[in-house]
Amino acid sequence: GDSVTQTEGQVTVSESKSLIINCTYSATSIAYPNLFWYVRYPGEGLQLLLKVITAGQKGSSRGFEATYNKETTSFHLQKASVQESDSAVYYCALSDTGTNAYKVIFGKGTHLHVLP
Amino acid sequence: EAAVTQSPRNKVAVTGGKVTLSCNQTNNHNNMYWYRQDTGHGLRLIHYSYGAGSTEKGDIPDGYKASRPSQENFSLILELATPSQTSVYFCASGDAGVYAEQFFGPGTRLTVL
Repeated sequence: GDSVTQTEGQVTVSESKSLIINCTYSATSIAYPNLFWYVRYPGEGLQLLLKVITAGQKGSSRGFEATYNKETTSFHLQKASVQESDSAVYYCALSDTGTNAYKVIFGKGTHLHVLP
Repeated sequence: EAAVTQSPRNKVAVTGGKVTLSCNQTNNHNNMYWYRQDTGHGLRLIHYSYGAGSTEKGDIPDGYKASRPSQENFSLILELATPSQTSVYFCASGDAGVYAEQFFGPGTRLTVL
């Protein structure tokens, strides 16, 4: 089936250090999946961080980047220098396109804790 | 101002009781969704709707009903709540377009004793 696997649990990084949160996907029933990273700050709902709909392309937002790699079925989230305000839960997700785009498959979430 | 709101934000219910979770969106989106999130799981889709008057089953609909009386409102109903329904529930809205971006409410923490 279709699924998303990401770095589990909590990741702790010191401020100004680099970050990578791994995400791999399986899209056996989706020919051209859309890939997303959502973020949930404390007390808030999930919000879209970035999305990429074309294999080989890179998305970026707020200093975060992720490249859609169809060969390795990966969509890792990276940031060169994290800030304390980046502390949040990050979700990797994929969706189908067209009329099936309503259905989004989420990873379990990765809790990023940035130390000051 | 928040475009997707949920009420209540926290709820404690008793086993066998009826629980209604409400969601309101001001995005004018056609699609609305109810998810639950549990430790060790990603968000799982319970019900969704394409517009007023429509409800569709998601991946885990058993024990839940949904109601979409208007474009803005989408409710999740637990007729006979059970402890296994203790979870955090998220409502979302989205356009019917191809990119599937969804806009989420802040969540409701439900505890069934």
